[in-house]
Amino acid sequence: NAGVTQTPKFQVLKTGQSMTLQCAQDMNHEYMSWYRQDPGMGLRLIHYSVGAGITDQGEVPNGYNVSRSTTEDFPLRLLSAAPSQTSVYFCASSYREGAYNSPLHFGNGTRLTVT
Amino acid sequence: RKEVEQDPGPFNVPEGATVAFNCTYSNSASQSFFWYRQDCRKEPKLLMSVYSSGNEDGRFTAQLNRASQYISLLIRDSKLSDSATYLCVVSPTKFYFGSGTKLNVKP
Repeated sequence: NAGVTQTPKFQVLKTGQSMTLQCAQDMNHEYMSWYRQDPGMGLRLIHYSVGAGITDQGEVPNGYNVSRSTTEDFPLRLLSAAPSQTSVYFCASSYREGAYNSPLHFGNGTRLTVT
Repeated sequence: RKEVEQDPGPFNVPEGATVAFNCTYSNSASQSFFWYRQDCRKEPKLLMSVYSSGNEDGRFTAQLNRASQYISLLIRDSKLSDSATYLCVVSPTKFYFGSGTKLNVKP
């Protein structure tokens, strides 16, 4: 199993550009989520999904869209990039939200810089 | 009040020392507890789950105290390679992260 795969690893965007960060998992996990982590800060939840066709907002959803058309994929779209979105983005999945002893598995991260 | 609170540290300890971190949580209905390790600008990696009876994995011991609503992580015989940030995660339903405790192990 590859686990959670994120692409790209690095990305530089100009202000106003849009792009999609890809996330795929091969563990048949129902729960998937996106976090951002700014330097010296903790993880902040952007969006999450408890299953195909279901998405919901996290703590910092503004400027981002998600969709979950399949169990495996959970892309994150930046609609119009801003310098404030410069961050490291992590995708994470779990068997099921709230399931006992079902930890989050993280992808390697995407390091995004917006100039 | 935050769902999960951790002392940010840093904890600066010599090699071979024993060090312990605590993490308090506010939701008494929480069922699942985890410790993660995060190296600088890398993804968090699961270190261990925390079970009610306590559990050990090599030099690492995790404990849960439901009455006082905290979990702990004990690291024995610290190695230089243990230097990292340690995150506690608590899950009643959603996942709640502590802000992390930074550990520096020095020669």
